[in-house]
Amino acid sequence: GAVVSQHPSWVICKSGTSVKIECRSLDFQATTMFWYRQFPKQSLMLMATSNEGSKATYEQGVEKDKFLINHASLTLSTLTVTSAHPEDSSFYICSARDYRFASVDVGQKQFFGPGTRLTVL
Amino acid sequence: QKEVEQNSGPLSVPEGAIASLNCTYSDRGSQSFFWYRQYSGKSPELIMSIYSNGDKEDGRFTAQLNKASQYVSLLIRDSQPSDSATYLCAVNRAGGTSYGKLTFGQGTILTVHP
Repeated sequence: GAVVSQHPSWVICKSGTSVKIECRSLDFQATTMFWYRQFPKQSLMLMATSNEGSKATYEQGVEKDKFLINHASLTLSTLTVTSAHPEDSSFYICSARDYRFASVDVGQKQFFGPGTRLTVL
Repeated sequence: QKEVEQNSGPLSVPEGAIASLNCTYSDRGSQSFFWYRQYSGKSPELIMSIYSNGDKEDGRFTAQLNKASQYVSLLIRDSQPSDSATYLCAVNRAGGTSYGKLTFGQGTILTVHP
């Protein structure tokens, strides 16, 4: 099956610093990756859509200058949380769409990475 | 009205029973529907997808979709303690710039007790 990895799995940083999170599709190419954020006891909220070779598109209310996304290759997208503050502490999860197969059924599925837990002190 | 609504639970069922999870959605143009299982501290794991009205079965899991009623459900037969998790309903938004984007419900906490 499709495997998506994230690095790091957890990070603790001081307020005001920047943190970079990597999302990789290990055995397939992903022209589109998605970044989600999940606060405790809440559901996943889509932050942005990362498209290889073009600018990311952000959901309403998500600051694009604070959450920088780069999708430089078909297997890697990065999310940088700039000038992080305690309210940015959350579980950040990426997903990638698998376009390997012609089947619409598989093509529409998203495979999730294991998540990165960010704690800002 | 939330785009995707689920009862937050918790839903508690005895081992071996059928667990029934429900989800309604507001966007009538939605095309694809998914059920994810999420264990505490972990990322979601896809367990079922459904695209057409009716039932779709996979092992102990059955997804049911009724587009006219904008309703999707998940039945778990012979529930096991290992099924205890949060179950997230997700809906693939309609076309245009929203294509491929998933909207999640708030999740239903399921507890299967021995």
